[in-house]
Amino acid sequence: LAKTTQPISMDSYEGQEVNITCSHNNIATNDYITWYQQFPSQGPRFIIQGYKTKVTNEVASLFIPADRKSSTLSLPRVSLSDTAVYYCLVNQAGTALIFGKGTTLSVSS
Amino acid sequence: GAGVSQSPSNKVTEKGKDVELRCDPISGHTALYWYRQSLGQGLEFLIYFQGNSAPDKSGLPSDRFSAERTGGSVSTLTIQRTQQEDSAVYLCASSFVGPLSSGNTIYFGEGSWLTVV
Repeated sequence: LAKTTQPISMDSYEGQEVNITCSHNNIATNDYITWYQQFPSQGPRFIIQGYKTKVTNEVASLFIPADRKSSTLSLPRVSLSDTAVYYCLVNQAGTALIFGKGTTLSVSS
Repeated sequence: GAGVSQSPSNKVTEKGKDVELRCDPISGHTALYWYRQSLGQGLEFLIYFQGNSAPDKSGLPSDRFSAERTGGSVSTLTIQRTQQEDSAVYLCASSFVGPLSSGNTIYFGEGSWLTVV
């Protein structure tokens, strides 16, 4: 299983764009990159998943360079409600998902 | 059901007692996971079931922990002779495992909060 490295914490202000970068140097050919969000006292919630280049949905964008050794989750115009822990995972279909410690994002007004 | 359902939502038990935690995955999902999260900590993988394959038990912290999945659906996590360090929220998740090209998106329940006193 590919190991991921991401910042422990980040601070931002409302209305700013937040970019969280995750390193996964030993990602394998069949691995996907998935990001989850977790609020206190809740289970993690799927945000976005990608394999290469760029993926965008109504919540976030995911940028993956050609070598796929890193990925960046981009949250446009964050609000106070985006304060949460964000997890980057690398996995193959059919294998267990291993979560790291995640990035704690704190958004202030 | 519409989502992953877990019961009980809260459980307080005395040290040394056994507890059972139940997970009802999303209908049609073939994969089921158990995780544990202690206060302020990350998610700790416990066990993974995929179809009829042997489960991946590599995350179970001790032989006091066991899990089974009956009929490829409902799962029960059992903790025997509970200890205070077992206090945590136990999260169940499920996913539909398709071809390798589809990734592996999992959906979590709200968790069972276990307190051992």
